[in-house]
Amino acid sequence: KAGVTQTPRYLIKTRGQQVTLSCSPISGHRSVSWYQQTPGQGLQFLFEYFSETQRNKGNFPGRFSGRQFSNSRSEMNVSTLELGDSALYLCASSLEGTGANQPQHFGDGTRLSIL
Amino acid sequence: DAKTTQPTSMDCAEGRAANLPCNHSTISGNEYVYWYRQIHSQGPQYIIHGLKNNETNEMASLIITEDRKSSTLILPHATLRDTAVYYCIVRVPHGSSNTGKLIFGQGTTLQVKP
Repeated sequence: KAGVTQTPRYLIKTRGQQVTLSCSPISGHRSVSWYQQTPGQGLQFLFEYFSETQRNKGNFPGRFSGRQFSNSRSEMNVSTLELGDSALYLCASSLEGTGANQPQHFGDGTRLSIL
Repeated sequence: DAKTTQPTSMDCAEGRAANLPCNHSTISGNEYVYWYRQIHSQGPQYIIHGLKNNETNEMASLIITEDRKSSTLILPHATLRDTAVYYCIVRVPHGSSNTGKLIFGQGTTLQVKP
């Protein structure tokens, strides 16, 4: 079974630009969560989508947004990029609806560098 | 804020058992204990999780104290490839409004030495 796939793996942008990152969850998984990892702040939760609806949101500015499609694939967008947005962006998917506590499985992330 | 406390770093000899402790003294009765690890430049890898009982899978064992205020992840025969940052996470149960949110602390850097 294929794991969580994130594209692209590496991305370089300049300040003020915007960027869209893509995540394909494990087949059958309906929940997709996004995280930002930086050396200073560690791993921080951005938001979670389930059945095309944002179900939970972390403490990030409105420049960070996301969406989920009917096939559970998800994208996140960051507008007006700042130097501090340089980070590893991770996507995780999980199987929902079984009534049991299901683990999230992570992709290897997109490393975003802002110049 | 993370609800767990872990040592910053630990060493383990290759072939020996690695025992990674985690304190979660404020855990609620319906919250699960999860363990992940992250090898450099990769995404976190799920290891194991449990609620009350001890759990074992092909990767590790999870020992949860009876009062659930602490737990230990055991890698029975550590190899050099087990060198990673290990995260202990307390997670709300399925169906809660925060189900999709994992709160990571700083984790324990485990160095397995030859």
